[in-house]
Amino acid sequence: DTAVSQTPKYLVTQMGNDKSIKCEQNLGHDTMYWYKQDSKKFLKIMFSYNNKELIINETVPNRFSPKSPDKAHLNLHINSLELGDSAVYFCASSREISYGYTFGSGTRLTVV
Amino acid sequence: RKEVEQDPGPFNVPEGATVAFNCTYSNSASQSFFWYRQDCRKEPKLLMSVYSSGNEDGRFTAQLNRASQYISLLIRDSKLSDSATYLCVVSFSGSARQLTFGSGTQLTVLP
Repeated sequence: DTAVSQTPKYLVTQMGNDKSIKCEQNLGHDTMYWYKQDSKKFLKIMFSYNNKELIINETVPNRFSPKSPDKAHLNLHINSLELGDSAVYFCASSREISYGYTFGSGTRLTVV
Repeated sequence: RKEVEQDPGPFNVPEGATVAFNCTYSNSASQSFFWYRQDCRKEPKLLMSVYSSGNEDGRFTAQLNRASQYISLLIRDSKLSDSATYLCVVSFSGSARQLTFGSGTQLTVLP
C-alpha cells in the first residue's frame, strides 16, 4: 500500500491548458508539501499545508493553486501552463520535521 | 550564498572504495539534518538522519559539525547499488517547518 501516492505519474499537455495533480497520503501525517524539481535537479519548495491550513507559500506564479480538502490530500492545480512549468513535481508529507519527509513518486510534467 | 551547498560531483569510484561527501549550510540556527538518496527518475528517499554526536548505519557514517556548519557522509566498501544522487537536507529554524535541499552530489560506483 503506497504511503504517498501522486497521480498522474506522467502528464504531457499543451501550453495554455489547465491541469491538476493529485496527492494522497495514508500515513496520518499532519503536514503535506509540494516541491518542484527542475532540469538541474534542484528541489524547491512551493507550498505546504498543515491540517488543511496553508503555512508555506513560496514565490510561485499565482497560476499555481494548491488545495487541501482534508489533511490526507493536497492537490495542485496549474492554470495557463507555460513551457517553463515543465519539471517533476513531488508531493511529500511529514509527521514532524525532525523525522524528515516521505515523498510521492513524482509527476513528470511536460508542456509542449 | 546558497542555503545548502554541496559539491555536485560527479564522483566515479570503483567498487569497494570509500567515498566522502561534504555539505555546508548557511543558517547557524538549523535544527534537523538529513542525507537523502535519489535514484535516476525516482523520488528522494531518506538515507539517514544526522545527529550531533555522529551516527552510523552499516557502511554509512554521517557527521555534523555545528560550529563549522558542515555535514558529511562517508560510504565504505561502495557497492554498485550505491550509485545515486545524494542530497544534503537541512531544516532551518522558525515556524515554517520545511526542509531545504542541497542540489545533490552524483555518485557512480564502477565495476
